[in-house]
Amino acid sequence: AQKVTQAQTEISVVEKEDVTLDCVYETRDTTYYLFWYKQPPSGELVFLIRRNSFDEQNEISGRYSWNFQKSTSSFNFTITASQVVDSAVYFCALRGYGQNFVFGPGTRLSVLP
Amino acid sequence: DAGVIQSPRHEVTEMGQEVTLRCKPISGHNSLFWYRQTMMRGLELLIYFNNNVPIDDSGMPEDRFSAKMPNASFSTLKIQPSEPRDSAVYFCASSLKGDGTGRTDTQYFGPGTRLTVL
Repeated sequence: AQKVTQAQTEISVVEKEDVTLDCVYETRDTTYYLFWYKQPPSGELVFLIRRNSFDEQNEISGRYSWNFQKSTSSFNFTITASQVVDSAVYFCALRGYGQNFVFGPGTRLSVLP
Repeated sequence: DAGVIQSPRHEVTEMGQEVTLRCKPISGHNSLFWYRQTMMRGLELLIYFNNNVPIDDSGMPEDRFSAKMPNASFSTLKIQPSEPRDSAVYFCASSLKGDGTGRTDTQYFGPGTRLTVL
């Protein structure tokens, strides 16, 4: 069975603080893909990043960075110098064999001015 | 390029009525997914299609729910009869099923349809 855990239900930070959103996954598949999506207050789901299980290299995109560690089954997401526009619900998702996505419960991030 | 298009964006109906949600996937994508999002259950996959063929409908909650994909550019999700507990946001997503490399297999979501059943 596949499972994604996002233990942080809600996080509040003040603008310009760094924040890390945790994601822990479970799968028996040797090949799998991990994703992060952002859901702003407007409601749409926005794709942020895709990472396959063979690529543990960390990735940085502007203020966003992702830390993938197979040894701990984690795929954490860090926002550096957070901004009010980063306020959203962030979902971590896992796709193993087949195309069924399993989404975590989401972490609601509030960035206060 | 246009993203995934869903209609209507909002639907309010009365219990017992038939509801039809529509989705147009991204052109060229060959996989389509229907999800439901509620506060209690989060994001749930209802059904997905590959090349217009339903592959996994195990997430469809009851026989009241049905989905069709008559061609590569259109899909519907129908609820008949609707019940208040069906109130949720329904998302459609599409992807390009490939060999797992590059940008394939990433799901791109539509804006969702917010359904309220009174």
